[in-house]
Amino acid sequence: GAVVSQHPSRVICKSGTSVKIECRSLDFQATTMFWYRQFPKQSLMLMATSNEGSKATYEQGVEKDKFLINHASLTLSTLTVTSAHPEDSSFYICSASRTGPHSGETQYFGPGTRLLVL
Amino acid sequence: AQKVTQAQTEISVVEKEDVTLDCVYETRDTTYYLFWYKQPPSGELVFLIRRNSFDEQNEISGRYSWNFQKSTSSFNFTITASQVVDSAVYFCALDSNQGGKLIFGQGTELSVKP
Repeated sequence: GAVVSQHPSRVICKSGTSVKIECRSLDFQATTMFWYRQFPKQSLMLMATSNEGSKATYEQGVEKDKFLINHASLTLSTLTVTSAHPEDSSFYICSASRTGPHSGETQYFGPGTRLLVL
Repeated sequence: AQKVTQAQTEISVVEKEDVTLDCVYETRDTTYYLFWYKQPPSGELVFLIRRNSFDEQNEISGRYSWNFQKSTSSFNFTITASQVVDSAVYFCALDSNQGGKLIFGQGTELSVKP
């Protein structure tokens, strides 16, 4: 095993509303989870690293107040897009590793969430 | 600087052909890890292989094989006798002393036609 799930798989929301995306490790405990964003035909861009029980570490250029990350347990991390706008429309993918944050740990990815903000 | 380059943006082959996806990386670290992931149209990234910098042995898994050469900083991926189900975007990634962060290449979109 090493299964990671994400919910919802797709979400459409109105501009100005907030959207919460859940990332769960189903058959292992994930000390570290990562959140990525992917635009069409592009590579993955790391947004933040989430460690259980501590504050997330955001990459340069990612707004902390815009993208709220909570890693409340060893199997669940959430990403909340606050006051969403059309430019936030994207494919959001999470990944989880069993230990970490250490170099060399394999990241297992969730199926992704397609967000469309109207 | 750390960087991964996948120069092939798109590759199209006919079923049963062999195809090699190139990956060139840059890092100054002596200890690092390289990965390949497959992203089918559904979107989920599927882990294919992890290789550390001290293990230059080539690896074969079924129709898949990987050629790691430190001398040229390359970690190429070959699919033998390609199948339509191999159609996907393939990403090469580097983990180089960054606390588990992955640096992804731009991806190679492989299209296998029947």
